Order: sequence, then structure tokens, then C-alpha cells
Amino acid sequence: DAGVTQSPTHLIKTRGQHVTLRCSPISGHKSVSWYQQVLGQGPQFIFQYYEKEERGRGNFPDRFSARQFPNYSSELNVNALLLGDSALYLCASSWGQNMNTEAFFGQGTRLTVV
Amino acid sequence: KQEVTQIPAALSVPEGENLVLNCSFTDSAIYNLQWFRQDPGKGLTSLLLIQSSQREQTSGRLNASLDKSSGRSTLYIAASQPGDSATYLCAPTTSGTYKYIFGTGTRLKVLA
Repeated sequence: DAGVTQSPTHLIKTRGQHVTLRCSPISGHKSVSWYQQVLGQGPQFIFQYYEKEERGRGNFPDRFSARQFPNYSSELNVNALLLGDSALYLCASSWGQNMNTEAFFGQGTRLTVV
Repeated sequence: KQEVTQIPAALSVPEGENLVLNCSFTDSAIYNLQWFRQDPGKGLTSLLLIQSSQREQTSGRLNASLDKSSGRSTLYIAASQPGDSATYLCAPTTSGTYKYIFGTGTRLKVLA
């Protein structure tokens, strides 16, 4: 079985541009979460989606948005990119809505904003 | 607000040593706690998940314990190997939320 897949793996964007990151969860998993990891820090929670509805949102500006599709894949969108948005963006999938089931992470998308 | 601290921040040991990595958290009302491994520039690999009702979990050379009342978890690595070199992250989930809270991790280097 394939694990959590994220695309693209690396991305370079210019300040002010828009970016879309994609995530496909493990087959059968209905929950997808997004995290941002800045170099040297632990991952920070951005969003959780379950059954196509937003269930949780972290302390990120409205420039960050996400959605989940009927096949449970997800997109993270970031508008008006800032240098500070440069980070590793991680997607996690799990079976249930509540975080009492094991979460599996993808390999991440490395975003560099120049 | 849940806060997670991991000690030590970095650790360098010779191959074969038994190791203990520490994780403390401020809010004991957790669903579970998961330990992850992260290689440089890579995603997270799940190592062990401990439910709030459990005291410990074991997988191969890894053993994780959980003491909710004191807000602590430890990851024990037996007979360390150079391939164990990575950053180890602990992440509890607080009841009523849908997110993991991560510490900054312990960077482990096992020398051959």
C-alpha cells in the first residue's frame, strides 16, 4: 500500500505569488492534517479536515487555506507568499476524526520563497 | 495551552549504548502521545503510539512509556546503531482538539 504522498517535493516561489500543495492520504483514511515546519523547529498545526469539512485550524493568517476532495485528497493554498513562509510543509493522514488513531506523515514539500 | 519540551536537545553516543529520550508536556488531558523519527529534510516516520489509557508500548528495540499524571513520556532505545541517527519528536494530542503539539525534538547521533 502507498503511504501518504505529497507533491511537489520541492518548490521555489517569489514573494507575493500563490502556491498550491497537494496531498493524497493512505487509502481508507478520511482525515488529513497540514503542518508547517520551519528549520530547527517542530511542526506547527495549520489545518485538519475530516470528511471534507474543516475540523481544526491553527494560528495561521487567512492567506492560508485548504480543502479536501471527495476522494479525501487535499490541497493547501497559500496566497501572497512571504519570505517567512519558507518551510517544510507536511501532510498527515489518519483513519478517524479524533486524534486517537495513529497519524502517518508524508515526505513533505519543501517551499522556498525568494 | 499545551507545551512540549524535549530533553536533551542533542545527544551524541557511541554505537551499542542504551538511550533514554525525555518528553514533558504541560496539559495531562491527552488522547494519546506519538513518537516520531525525522531524518534531515524528510517527513516524519511514526515509531510508537501510546493511548492515554496505556503505560507503555514496545516495538523492537524501542520502548515508550507514558505517565499522564506527571506529564512525561520517555523513549528508550536499546543497543543503539548508527542508523538510529535522526531527530526524535514526541507529540501529544490534547482531548477536544484535532492536532498534535510537537516539541523541538532530540537530535541523536550514534557514532560507529
